[in-house]
Amino acid sequence: GEDVEQSLFLSVREGDSSVINCTYTDSSSTYLYWYKQEPGAGLQLLTYIFSNMDMKQDQRLTVLLNKKDKHLSLRIADTQTGDSAIYFCAEGNRRAGSYQLTFGKGTKLSVIP
Amino acid sequence: DADVTQTPRNRITKTGKRIMLECSQTKGHDRMYWYRQDPGLGLRLIYYSFDVKDINKGEISDGYSVSRQAQAKFSLSLESAIPNQTALYFCATGGYREAPMDTQYFGPGTRLTVL
Repeated sequence: GEDVEQSLFLSVREGDSSVINCTYTDSSSTYLYWYKQEPGAGLQLLTYIFSNMDMKQDQRLTVLLNKKDKHLSLRIADTQTGDSAIYFCAEGNRRAGSYQLTFGKGTKLSVIP
Repeated sequence: DADVTQTPRNRITKTGKRIMLECSQTKGHDRMYWYRQDPGLGLRLIYYSFDVKDINKGEISDGYSVSRQAQAKFSLSLESAIPNQTALYFCATGGYREAPMDTQYFGPGTRLTVL
């Protein structure tokens, strides 16, 4: 079945760049997503990338996709303490009309002041 | 106002009790989902519904049931709660007019504790 893997923890110093990595197994994925979960809150959509693209930039966020290696990364430039959260990678698929997302287990980003 | 709301936000109950968690949305989306989140396990899909007459089991449906009372409402029931159902529960919605179509939007979550 489909699988999405992420490392569980990442610590960075305030002002540095953070890079959160994700690998997935389903080569038929249409879109790949990054969600952010702040403490005590639900998941908030951060950004997404179409599987035919290799990069997408949105302000401090850069998403890189290596489709050949099935590797996705999220780079946060100038990381701030407000970026401390759990970040989930997810792949979307529409097999048999089923609009489902397969989520990784989440990477907890801790930003050290 | 929030687009996806969940009630209650917190609930403590005892083993064997019947519990209902409710989800409402104002996004006009056809698709609704229930997930549970456990530390270190990420999000696991319990049930999903693509319209009012459509209910599908997810990865971990045993011990749960759902009801899609209307397009905007999707409730999750635990018929006889057990301690290992202690978790954070999320409702999510998705719409065919969204871009991309398989994007999901999440509610704030319900923290359920079964003693």
